[in-house]
Amino acid sequence: AQSVTQLDSQVPVFEEAPVELRCNYSSSVSVYLFWYVQYPNQGLQLLLKYLSGSTLVKGINGFEAEFNKSQTSFHLRKPSVHISDTAEYFCAVIRIYNQGGKLIFGQGTELSVKP
Amino acid sequence: EPEVTQTPSHQVTQMGQEVILRCVPISNHLYFYWYRQILGQKVEFLVSFYNNEISEKSEIFDDQFSVERPDGSNFTLKIRSTKLEDSAMYFCASSDTSGDTQYFGPGTRLTVL
Repeated sequence: AQSVTQLDSQVPVFEEAPVELRCNYSSSVSVYLFWYVQYPNQGLQLLLKYLSGSTLVKGINGFEAEFNKSQTSFHLRKPSVHISDTAEYFCAVIRIYNQGGKLIFGQGTELSVKP
Repeated sequence: EPEVTQTPSHQVTQMGQEVILRCVPISNHLYFYWYRQILGQKVEFLVSFYNNEISEKSEIFDDQFSVERPDGSNFTLKIRSTKLEDSAMYFCASSDTSGDTQYFGPGTRLTVL
């Protein structure tokens, strides 16, 4: 079975500051990893994903994440945040070669960007 | 850019009533999913659907729930007799032939009174 832990439930930062949202996972098999973003009163939007290849992946809106297999982590980073980045961010995993399988989500991290 | 759409955006119902939540997946996608998010909790998997049958379901997805693809475009979730604890945001998702990336709709907020 897989599990995902997002270590911070809330992250307040000031505009233009860097941010890191932490995600650790547990799995006995290889997984694909995802970050989704949920803006207020909206659905889940895919931010970025790691399937294979380079462990540093770039997503939309200037976000990037680094897959670290030895530490079973997939932390999300942005060098300079904007007010518009205020949202809830979810880390998720799925077993590889499991087409049509279920995503396992973390608890979510609420990013609050202040002016 | 193609999107998953869901209707209605908000559904209010009385306990014990049947509800049908509707989704239109991205047109060339073959895998379909339902998830739910109870307020303040994690997003939870309910069911996945492929080739006109359920491919996986969670323990939440009991006999009160059913899914259907009634035509070539819609994918529905039916709750036969709603309970207070069914109040949640329900998300539909779909993925293409690779099945590795799921794209979500905007959700339907179900309120059971």
